[in-house]
Amino acid sequence: DAGVIQSPRHEVTEMGQEVTLRCKPISGHDYLFWYRQTMMRGLELLIYFNNNVPIDDSGMPEDRFSAKMPNASFSTLKIQPSEPRDSAVYFCASGGLQEDGYTFGSGTRLTVV
Amino acid sequence: SQKIEQNSEALNIQEGKTATLTCNYTNYSPAYLQWYRQDPGRGPVFLLLIRENEKEKRKERLKVTFDTTLKQSLFHITASQPADSATYLCALYSSASKIIFGSGTRLSIRP
Repeated sequence: DAGVIQSPRHEVTEMGQEVTLRCKPISGHDYLFWYRQTMMRGLELLIYFNNNVPIDDSGMPEDRFSAKMPNASFSTLKIQPSEPRDSAVYFCASGGLQEDGYTFGSGTRLTVV
Repeated sequence: SQKIEQNSEALNIQEGKTATLTCNYTNYSPAYLQWYRQDPGRGPVFLLLIRENEKEKRKERLKVTFDTTLKQSLFHITASQPADSATYLCALYSSASKIIFGSGTRLSIRP
């Protein structure tokens, strides 16, 4: 298994532009999570899905952020319009059995200028 | 409010010694706790999970303890090696808040 695959690895965009981050979870994992990591706030849970259904989006900072999981093998996190304070590393993670923990992707480093 | 604290931002120890990292929490009733390792530019990697009814768990040179009375978990790396240098994150799971991560401790093992 190639693990959790995120794209792009790096994204630089101008303020006001739409940004879409993509994630392919590990096949067979029931849970998918989107996290954001910054120096100031550490790893923050944004939203998670169970069997493709959004369960808790209370961590999504505001309406500019949206996430979808149209099928078991793909999820997107969209920011529209983007702002400089959205600059961070965004991680996708998937999980199955509790004992195995979560598997994180390599992250997308987003810079909004 | 709910809070997770990892004892220090950075810890430096001599190769061969035991590294001990601390994770304290308040206003949580976690069902289980996880420890992850994160290297620069990479995502966290799962190491160990310990449940609320378990006192201790081991995996090779790693040992985790969980004291729900003290609201604390200790993470030990015995016979530490320079390759163990990384940031270590604790994460708590409760049914109310799902997985919440601490800010991490950056561990450096000097030869």
